[in-house]
Amino acid sequence: DTEVTQTPKHLVMGMTNKKSLKCEQHMGHRAMYWYKQKAKKPPELMFVYSYEKLSINESVPSRFSPECPNSSLLNLHLHALQPEDSALYLCASSQEGFFYGYTFGSGTRLTVV
Amino acid sequence: AQSVTQLGSHVSVSEGALVLLRCNYSSSVPPYLFWYVQYPNQGLQLLLKYTSAATLVKGINGFEAEFKKSETSFHLTKPSAHMSDAAEYFCAVILTQGGSEKLVFGKGTKLTVNP
Repeated sequence: DTEVTQTPKHLVMGMTNKKSLKCEQHMGHRAMYWYKQKAKKPPELMFVYSYEKLSINESVPSRFSPECPNSSLLNLHLHALQPEDSALYLCASSQEGFFYGYTFGSGTRLTVV
Repeated sequence: AQSVTQLGSHVSVSEGALVLLRCNYSSSVPPYLFWYVQYPNQGLQLLLKYTSAATLVKGINGFEAEFKKSETSFHLTKPSAHMSDAAEYFCAVILTQGGSEKLVFGKGTKLTVNP
């Protein structure tokens, strides 16, 4: 298995809703990442998990809450989002040693109404 | 601090023509550099990477890139464009922060291939 799987592919949520994005990989990668990508912009890093521990939080608002239950799973819990949070959310994973590059999932297209 | 700059937000070529997408890096030490491609409504796919083993790097789909330290460049090329190459291309570099590493992207170049 050489893929990063993200679910759901599309999500529409209201500003008072609570939802979660899920990311899964079975490549034995020990680092996992969440990126946010706005239209016509590059992906921007949100969080880095290394060996299931949060190692980088790029000053992301608390309405985004990451969770890494085990080495294969990464969740992003969403609560009280704003319309400007609408974006493509990408998950990635990598082997130990950054020179291998990251493997990206196909993303979750989030729309906040 | 390390970063990458992509020159040209849009590049348009004819099918069969040379593709050249430009990326310059700023770094005081040899960087780890990557090129990724993103097709519409999809995630990112690794095209190739430079990790100091060889200055000319060959990737997937006929792409290659040459690391030139004297020019601080890592331009992406393909001898003959195909319609299926139309996509967004991102140059990226590894930054280290607090003992962790993160991949940071340039602003991207949209490649259009005309028939």
